[in-house]
Amino acid sequence: SQQGEEDPQALSIQEGENATMNCSYKTSINNLQWYRQNSGRGLVHLILIRSNEREKHSGRLRVTLDTSKKSSSLLITASRAADTASYFCATDAEGYSTLTFGKGTMLLVSP
Amino acid sequence: GAGVSQTPSNKVTEKGKYVELRCDPISGHTALYWYRQSLGQGPEFLIYFQGTGAADDSGLPNDRFFAVRPEGSVSTLKIQRTERGDSAVYLCASSPGLAFDNEQFFGPGTRLTVL
Repeated sequence: SQQGEEDPQALSIQEGENATMNCSYKTSINNLQWYRQNSGRGLVHLILIRSNEREKHSGRLRVTLDTSKKSSSLLITASRAADTASYFCATDAEGYSTLTFGKGTMLLVSP
Repeated sequence: GAGVSQTPSNKVTEKGKYVELRCDPISGHTALYWYRQSLGQGPEFLIYFQGTGAADDSGLPNDRFFAVRPEGSVSTLKIQRTERGDSAVYLCASSPGLAFDNEQFFGPGTRLTVL
């Protein structure tokens, strides 16, 4: 079963706009990670946020984590056509050493 | 340096046949993971190795699936008596430590098609 569920399933925006994707999960976690997948590069790790962190930045990416609501969001600012990809959140369950991925959000950035 | 590599990139087989999928992790990474990804879904965990031993094989769907990592580096996923429902992209990932505390580095995957 999938622990994380991304929302929306698909998102279409213009270059330069911001894109926000959300992830909800069910059980307590140690950390939450976001990955990107496109046909050219496969699955690539973007960012890891620990359960005791509320916000983290990496370049044009901003991730928030609300453990009380069991949710996370990924914001991509000033999007580019090259950001077109599927984005997945991945969570561990406390006490386990493996990750569970959601179904992903498919992002399309048009020039 | 070299990333995670997987061979073959594509495998077409007939129902009932046996297949082996190979994964070469990043040198020095102790943890190795196998996932299966179907169209429109996220990767689904199959099995996790720490060194040579399978630390968690709870994701293997049934006893037709088996994986080994005899020397703590290269791993082979073995599927017996393949079924059409086994068709998917099989992904391998490695990390320097435990998954929940480290990013995973993924290979390009093996696309398995069972006719």
